[in-house]
Amino acid sequence: AQSVTQLDSHVSVSEGTPVLLRCNYSSSYSPSLFWYVQHPNKGLQLLLKYTSAATLVKGINGFEAEFKKSETSFHLTKPSAHMSDAAEYFCVVSPPSGSARQLTFGSGTQLTVLP
Amino acid sequence: DGGITQSPKYLFRKEGQNVTLSCEQNLNHDAMYWYRQDPGQGLRLIYYSQIVNDFQKGDIAEGYSVSREKKESFPLTVTSAQKNPTAFYLCASSRTGGADQETQYFGPGTRLLVL
Repeated sequence: AQSVTQLDSHVSVSEGTPVLLRCNYSSSYSPSLFWYVQHPNKGLQLLLKYTSAATLVKGINGFEAEFKKSETSFHLTKPSAHMSDAAEYFCVVSPPSGSARQLTFGSGTQLTVLP
Repeated sequence: DGGITQSPKYLFRKEGQNVTLSCEQNLNHDAMYWYRQDPGQGLRLIYYSQIVNDFQKGDIAEGYSVSREKKESFPLTVTSAQKNPTAFYLCASSRTGGADQETQYFGPGTRLLVL
């Protein structure tokens, strides 16, 4: 069994300040983990994924995430927020080498970027 | 350009009416998926298909039907039995083998509204 918890439903930051979106997972194995971003009325876009290679994963648009097995976390960070980062972010977990059928989605974190 | 297209962008349903949402992909992916997204919630799986002429129910299949007659196409019908159809519907696709099989790629979505 697997589950994923996004610890904040809303996060608000000022433009130019760091972003931290928190995700904890529960899994009986070492999972694959993803972050997706969704802009209003759009589909989900893959930001980055962890699949048991390097624990620090770099994604698009300056985002990165670190897999911490001891803390069962996969937090998403960005050093400096941009107005265009305002969107909803989803943390997703999958069994290792499992099929995409087995994805479990978090409930999402809405990121607001203030000017 | 490879990708997933969904149409229409907005769809209005009258009481007792069946409506069909289109999903087409040119990524040569074997697997396709339909999700429902409600405000403030993650994605819930409606149906998925791993191969042509075969599909499986997801977590919330009641009131929906699908077909998979072609690899590229996976239409979703929202039937009159679905009593609360207002939502954002997302189609996705993935490989069924190889290094990237856990990754789903999403279309832009269809918003269904009830008149």
